[in-house]
Amino acid sequence: QKEVEQNSGPLSVPEGAIASLNCTYSDRVSQSFFWYRQYSGKSPELIMSIYSNGDKEDGRFTAQLNKASQYVSLLIRDSQPSDSATYLCAVYRNYQLIWGAGTKLIIKP
Amino acid sequence: SQTIHQWPATLVQPVGSPLSLECTVEGTSNPNLYWYRQAAGRGLQLLFYSVGIGQISSEVPQNLSASRPQDRQFILSSKKLLLSDSGFYLCAWSGTGSQPQHFGDGTRLSIL
Repeated sequence: QKEVEQNSGPLSVPEGAIASLNCTYSDRVSQSFFWYRQYSGKSPELIMSIYSNGDKEDGRFTAQLNKASQYVSLLIRDSQPSDSATYLCAVYRNYQLIWGAGTKLIIKP
Repeated sequence: SQTIHQWPATLVQPVGSPLSLECTVEGTSNPNLYWYRQAAGRGLQLLFYSVGIGQISSEVPQNLSASRPQDRQFILSSKKLLLSDSGFYLCAWSGTGSQPQHFGDGTRLSIL
């Protein structure tokens, strides 16, 4: 079992719809979780951090954390073609981030 | 605000040649520093990280090495490059504690 798992996709979503990206993790004591966006050929960019159970909203993005079930998700409302990218989930552990392999999201105009 | 500089953006090197990639951070003190490699279409592979000057932790045995001669400078080196060293090399920094990492623009390395 991988420490951080994501569906590799691609996930295809119509423009204007909600994109839902999921991530599960294996270390029950993990406390800090991050979502990054990576455009093709570019470096990862932090879009959300979440540390507590529940929802955290920032513009069109909502991160959801459920520590009991060990999953973290990212919702993107009103999806735009510019949201097409690979989304990486990362979990903090001992000075490092443990990375998922990423989910490729495609927004169809 | 903090910024991270990484250069060069692209590099083409022959097999067996040496390598030196440099990364510097501005606007913060005592950052944690990281080197990653990303093969085409693959995930991030942590190569080295450093929590202070002269302190280097290696995650993957290979022909690469890292050094941190100054607080905000991180260098990735190799004495002899292999074809398998091709990839996208990323430097990142974070603050202390469970903070997120912030990436430089990366160096795309091609070995011929």
